[in-house]
Amino acid sequence: KAGVTQTPRYLIKTRGQQVTLSCSPISGHRSVSWYQQTPGQGLQFLFEYFSETQRNKGNFPGRFSGRQFSNSRSEMNVSTLELGDSALYLCASSPLTGPYEQYFGPGTRLTVT
Amino acid sequence: KNEVEQSPQNLTAQEGEFITINCSYSVGISALHWLQQHPGGGIVSLFMLSSGKKKHGRLIATINIQEKHSSLHITASHPRDSAVYICAVGGGADGLTFGKGTHLIIQP
Repeated sequence: KAGVTQTPRYLIKTRGQQVTLSCSPISGHRSVSWYQQTPGQGLQFLFEYFSETQRNKGNFPGRFSGRQFSNSRSEMNVSTLELGDSALYLCASSPLTGPYEQYFGPGTRLTVT
Repeated sequence: KNEVEQSPQNLTAQEGEFITINCSYSVGISALHWLQQHPGGGIVSLFMLSSGKKKHGRLIATINIQEKHSSLHITASHPRDSAVYICAVGGGADGLTFGKGTHLIIQP
């Protein structure tokens, strides 16, 4: 089975712009979670999608949003980018929601200048 | 909100040594995860535990639910084991809560 894929792998944006990141889960997996990793804050939960519904969101402002499609692929969007949004954005998929092993994608490294 | 503490933060050892990384959490959980992250960012799930002990090759993970503590052991360590090891708890709608990670370097 193919693993979790994320596109693009690297991205450079300017403050004020918006960005959309994509995540394709392992075939058959219905849950997709997004995480942000920064040197200062470490890994933090952004949100989880299951069956096209956002089940929960971490402590992030409304500029961070996402969605999940019927084929379980997910996108996350960050509007009005700030320098502090520079981070590695990781998605992870699991077969169902709940305490299941999560399979991580390679991440998208976003740099905001 | 669960607090996850890992120790040590940094560990340098010689090839062949037995390695132990510890993780403590503050609130009862349904599952604990051990993850490995290599330079470049990719994260690999090593174990998911809800009780007892699991073994995979040279890696062993244990969890004590009553004491809210887990350990990851590496036997016969090798330079390719050099990575950041991350403990995380939870999952599902609340997502994972992560420790700050243990930077492990195994010298030949």
